[in-house]
Amino acid sequence: AQSVAQPEDQVNVAEGNPLTVKCTYSVSGNPYLFWYVQYPNRGLQFLLKYITGDNLVKGSYGFEAEFNKSQTSFHLKKPSALVSDSALYFCAVRDNGNTNAGKSTFGDGTTLTVKP
Amino acid sequence: NAGVMQNPRHLVRRRGQEARLRCSPMKGHSHVYWYRQLPEEGLKFMVYLQKENIIDESGMPKERFSAEFPKEGPSILRIQQVVRGDSAAYFCASSPAGGAGYGYTFGSGTRLTVV
Repeated sequence: AQSVAQPEDQVNVAEGNPLTVKCTYSVSGNPYLFWYVQYPNRGLQFLLKYITGDNLVKGSYGFEAEFNKSQTSFHLKKPSALVSDSALYFCAVRDNGNTNAGKSTFGDGTTLTVKP
Repeated sequence: NAGVMQNPRHLVRRRGQEARLRCSPMKGHSHVYWYRQLPEEGLKFMVYLQKENIIDESGMPKERFSAEFPKEGPSILRIQQVVRGDSAAYFCASSPAGGAGYGYTFGSGTRLTVV
């Protein structure tokens, strides 16, 4: 079984400040990890992924995420937040040892609000 | 290069009617996934399909819901005898292969309202 937890429903930051959106996961094998962003009334857009290799992954719009195996975490970060980053963020996991390798499990989402 | 196309964008059905939601995957993608998003909730997996095959339907309700991805044409999510609790946004995603390393490309969703 695989699962994802996003412990914060809401994250508020001031524009220009660093932001972190938290994600922890559980899989029976090795994880493939993803972050997506959803703007109002739109579908999800892929931001970045961790498959293997360097634990720090860089993605779209200046976002990055750090894979921490010992803490089973994959927190999303950005050094300087923009008002336009305000959206709903989803973390997702796949177990690369799962025979149903294509199925991703999503967290419940975190609403990020960046205030001017 | 068109992305994942879902139609209709909005669908209103009366209780007891049927709802058909269509999804055309991104060009070159052969794997389709359907997710449901209820108001103020996250995405819940419903079904994973390849052409002419249902790979994983563990998230599908046992009754009234079915999905297909025929050899030709879009994937269809079908809900028979809709009830108010079926009101939600239904998202389709596609990927180029079942290998777990690919991110999904999502459509814009179909918002189903049951009145």
